[in-house]
Amino acid sequence: KNEVEQSPQNLTAQEGEFITINCSYSVGISALHWLQQHPGGGIVSLFMLSSGKKKHGRLIATINIQEKHSSLHITASHPRDSAVYICAVAEYGNKLVFGAGTILRVKS
Amino acid sequence: KAGVTQTPRYLIKTRGQQVTLSCSPISGHRSVSWYQQTPGQGLQFLFEYFSETQRNKGNFPGRFSGRQFSNSRSEMNVSTLELGDSALYLCASSPGTGNLPQHFGDGTRLSIL
Repeated sequence: KNEVEQSPQNLTAQEGEFITINCSYSVGISALHWLQQHPGGGIVSLFMLSSGKKKHGRLIATINIQEKHSSLHITASHPRDSAVYICAVAEYGNKLVFGAGTILRVKS
Repeated sequence: KAGVTQTPRYLIKTRGQQVTLSCSPISGHRSVSWYQQTPGQGLQFLFEYFSETQRNKGNFPGRFSGRQFSNSRSEMNVSTLELGDSALYLCASSPGTGNLPQHFGDGTRLSIL
């Protein structure tokens, strides 16, 4: 069993829809990261969480430490949100363990 | 402020050769981490350097090595290249080794023929 599981693997949405991507992990962590990767490879760090909830623009990330679960929400989705979203956990320091990623496609 | 710079962007090598990849972190960042991304295995942690010392290491063979210089720039070396080493190699920098957001470079795409 992978240490970090993401769902769904693929997601297609219509522009304007509310999107949720889930991440479950099986190890104790010091922090959880949500990353965005566009075609071509560049990775952008969206959030780093160790508890509670964070919001940035149309993106919201939550984490439940007891349940070892995090969600990334995108409100009012837009085609430019199309990308791969990756959940990563840090057991300690900057050593990250990654989920397989969720491929999101938002259609106009 | 300049971002994380990785060179070269693309590289083609043959089996048995060795390769050195370079990563210049954001100014003031002292931690540099290296990752390998392949279609089969996804993203995997290679190692982290902080203040010229390797702080953490992933599960990769000894053919993969790295170092960090006093200006925080880091290099990664892979010796005796194998076909399976074909991958996107990413580095990321952060100010320190604690729970801090990481800033990623655009990666070096290595192809082994």
